[in-house]
Amino acid sequence: DAKTTQPPSMDCAEGRAANLPCNHSTISGNEYVYWYRQIHSQGPQYIIHGLKNNETNEMASLIITEDRKSSTLILPHATLRDTAVYYCIVRVANNNNDMRFGAGTRLTVKP
Amino acid sequence: DTEVTQTPKHLVMGMTNKKSLKCEQHMGHRAMYWYKQKAKKPPELMFVYSYEKLSINESVPSRFSPECPNSSLLNLHLHALQPEDSALYLCASSQPGGQRNTEAFFGQGTRLTVV
Repeated sequence: DAKTTQPPSMDCAEGRAANLPCNHSTISGNEYVYWYRQIHSQGPQYIIHGLKNNETNEMASLIITEDRKSSTLILPHATLRDTAVYYCIVRVANNNNDMRFGAGTRLTVKP
Repeated sequence: DTEVTQTPKHLVMGMTNKKSLKCEQHMGHRAMYWYKQKAKKPPELMFVYSYEKLSINESVPSRFSPECPNSSLLNLHLHALQPEDSALYLCASSQPGGQRNTEAFFGQGTRLTVV
């Protein structure tokens, strides 16, 4: 069972910020939030992850609410190449390595 | 080298055939995963190996048989598959979850067609 809920689809104008929400209301204290994306017919690609603090890297920013029940992935300047399915995954930090995908959000960046 | 290599890229097999999918990584990762992905669906977890031991088996039918011969290699042996098993099979690797940098790297997948 997926532990996350995401909108099935979103559109974004090229050059604008894309804000992708994820609900993970049952998250436990030792579970991290991970984001991946999958461009058509390719393997998923890691974007970013965090526990409770906001995180930023060269691809995106991750904003996690204080209660950790939801998060937002921000692509600051979306390009056409960012069109993909974006998956939010909650994963516990243990050696069981249970990593399951929910339905994801299909982001379409439009010119 | 941050690559996960899957071979073959495409495979067509009959229902009575035996074939194997192969996955290789040289990042020193000790967790490796098999996923099955049908068209327009998310990847579905099948198996996870942690330190070369099977840690998760998602009640996958026995016609799929995983094997992890060493820390760099992961195989998926296929026997007596059904047409509904046709899908994209994805392999991934990561550091085990107890370590800090646990992002997973995925291969490009093997597109399997069962005829």
